[in-house]
Amino acid sequence: EAGVTQFPSHSVIEKGQTVTLRCDPISGHDNLYWYRRVMGKEIKFLLHFVKESKQDESGMPNNRFLAERTGGTYSTLKVQPAELEDSGVYFCASSRRASGGADTQYFGPGTRLTVL
Amino acid sequence: QKEVEQDPGPLSVPEGAIVSLNCTYSNSAFQYFMWYRQYSRKGPELLMYTYSSGNKEDGRFTAQVDKSSKYISLFIRDSQPSDSATYLCAMSAVNRDDKIIFGKGTRLHILP
Repeated sequence: EAGVTQFPSHSVIEKGQTVTLRCDPISGHDNLYWYRRVMGKEIKFLLHFVKESKQDESGMPNNRFLAERTGGTYSTLKVQPAELEDSGVYFCASSRRASGGADTQYFGPGTRLTVL
Repeated sequence: QKEVEQDPGPLSVPEGAIVSLNCTYSNSAFQYFMWYRQYSRKGPELLMYTYSSGNKEDGRFTAQVDKSSKYISLFIRDSQPSDSATYLCAMSAVNRDDKIIFGKGTRLHILP
């Protein structure tokens, strides 16, 4: 079974530019999550999709961030315009839909974003 | 006050030693307690999880949760150089579909 994949692995852009990160979850996983780790800080939750619907977007820092999951498969996270403080590693995770219980969130390798 | 506190280390121990990693937390709503392991340039990988209080053992790894003290631990017995990684404690409320709250992670080095 293929794991969670993310593209690109590394992106370097200038302040004010736009960047789009992509996540392909494990096949059959309805839950998709975005997290971010800023240097020196802990990994923090950004948002959660159940299929194509946003279940929880309480962690999105501001309206420069736009996440989509059309068709309930892969997801994109767009940052427009990028600011210096957006630099960090962006992780995507996926899990099956839990029914009264729980399931493991499987993480991708992350996209390292550097804003100059 | 941060929701989850974890000493970032680094922690260096000789091969074969018992390693003790721990975290404290402030949110009493947390029900699921997890330990993730992360190697350099990789994503976090779930090692173990525990629901509510108690102990759980898996091979050389033991996870303990003390909800009364809001304190969780991970013990690694007979540590190996391949255990060298960053260990992240993590928690979620209600059920594990919920967002995960992570500690900063402890960098562990096992010296051959």
